[in-house]
Amino acid sequence: DSGVTQTPKHLITATGQRVTLRCSPRSGDLSVYWYQQSLDQGLQFLIQYYNGEERAKGNILERFSAQQFPDLHSELNLSSLELGDSALYFCASSVRAGNTEAFFGQGTRLTVV
Amino acid sequence: AQKVTQAQTEISVVEKEDVTLDCVYETRDTTYYLFWYKQPPSGELVFLIRRNSFDEQNEISGRYSWNFQKSTSSFNFTITASQVVDSAVYFCALELVGGSARQLTFGSGTQLTVLP
Repeated sequence: DSGVTQTPKHLITATGQRVTLRCSPRSGDLSVYWYQQSLDQGLQFLIQYYNGEERAKGNILERFSAQQFPDLHSELNLSSLELGDSALYFCASSVRAGNTEAFFGQGTRLTVV
Repeated sequence: AQKVTQAQTEISVVEKEDVTLDCVYETRDTTYYLFWYKQPPSGELVFLIRRNSFDEQNEISGRYSWNFQKSTSSFNFTITASQVVDSAVYFCALELVGGSARQLTFGSGTQLTVLP
């Protein structure tokens, strides 16, 4: 158990809908990262937050947004969902904003039908 | 831009065989970190090792060992005396050092199947 908690574990929704994925980082970790794992794109970095502030942005679509709250948990919001958004979404956390290992949660498997 | 290549898509071995997973990376930076993660069938990503680009010493942890060669931009992972529980997808990843932002660039993964 990495100590990173993601909910829900599975999510099935229809095209055009909006969903929110939640992540609780390990105790003491200030940085949270979101990654998407899909069959065609592999594992891709989406976005990073550190202590509530956005620090880095990767291949995140405009339909997607994220935030990190004062209690350090993070949410990834996915809207206007398309079939191609079906993927495993990982959250990871680390103590510092960089140069340290990140520990991943178990992921949320999103299926868009 | 950086890139990580894991040319072996799938490897199948019989239990107790040794197996090496290849990882080749590209970056113009001289300072970076290399990682290996394991993704078992249950789906989670498990951290295995992080190696600084300045440290080319090989590392051994139980049945796992890693060979980092900067001259060939490779960071290979060997499992000795493989076991069925080693069956998983293994990812190699690269992170550039510096600044307060970070992102891991992952390879496409190698599916390892260890047969009893």
